[in-house]
Amino acid sequence: DIQMTQSPASLSASLEEIVTITCQASQDIGNWLAWYQQKPGKSPQLLIYGATSLADGVPSRFSGSRYGTQYSLKISRLQVEDPGIYYCLQGYSGPWTFGGGTKLELK
Amino acid sequence: EVQLQQSGPEVGRPGSSVKISCKASGYTFTDYVMNWVKQRPGQGLEWIGWIDPEYGSTDYAEKFKKKATLTADTSSNTAYIQLSSLTSEDTATYFCARGDSSYPYVMGAWGQGASVTVSS
Repeated sequence: DIQMTQSPASLSASLEEIVTITCQASQDIGNWLAWYQQKPGKSPQLLIYGATSLADGVPSRFSGSRYGTQYSLKISRLQVEDPGIYYCLQGYSGPWTFGGGTKLELK
Repeated sequence: EVQLQQSGPEVGRPGSSVKISCKASGYTFTDYVMNWVKQRPGQGLEWIGWIDPEYGSTDYAEKFKKKATLTADTSSNTAYIQLSSLTSEDTATYFCARGDSSYPYVMGAWGQGASVTVSS
């Protein structure tokens, strides 16, 4: 199975700060990566797919990038509604695997 | 508006089975696959598998092949997951999530989740 190592496990950031979360794939997965946000007690929501494409309705402060087998989610200016847990998901080969999650809190 | 409405909480005895439903509306049910994702209390997300409602074809993560059975009823636009031989490890919230037909891992709509508690 492809392993997705996500870091950091948690972070605290201030409003308007730039936040970056990364996922390292254990092998080449091309651009078959998505990012999801989950708020407490809610279902996950799609943010990014194809490593860099913004999902419909997602604010432009979210962006995704890829460098080899390392993938990053960037929040350019943290807003009050952004805290939650963020997960990456590889859809390159089965079983699809999620990263362990990054818990983002407001400082 | 795309909606996925899941059934209510379930309590199952160890060794028994439960079946959760996910009723889709606001789109053509057979144009998308339906994924199922497990989340144990306080834990991360785990992909179980998907079903293509049009053809009934399925794909499962290996560890769920003997645990979960995915079905779909196109007459009622409803997807189901049945969990068998329940153990405490099955206590979790189960989400259905619509997957893009070409990129099934792209789950743009999710149900609200259905909790399963395994207890004697």
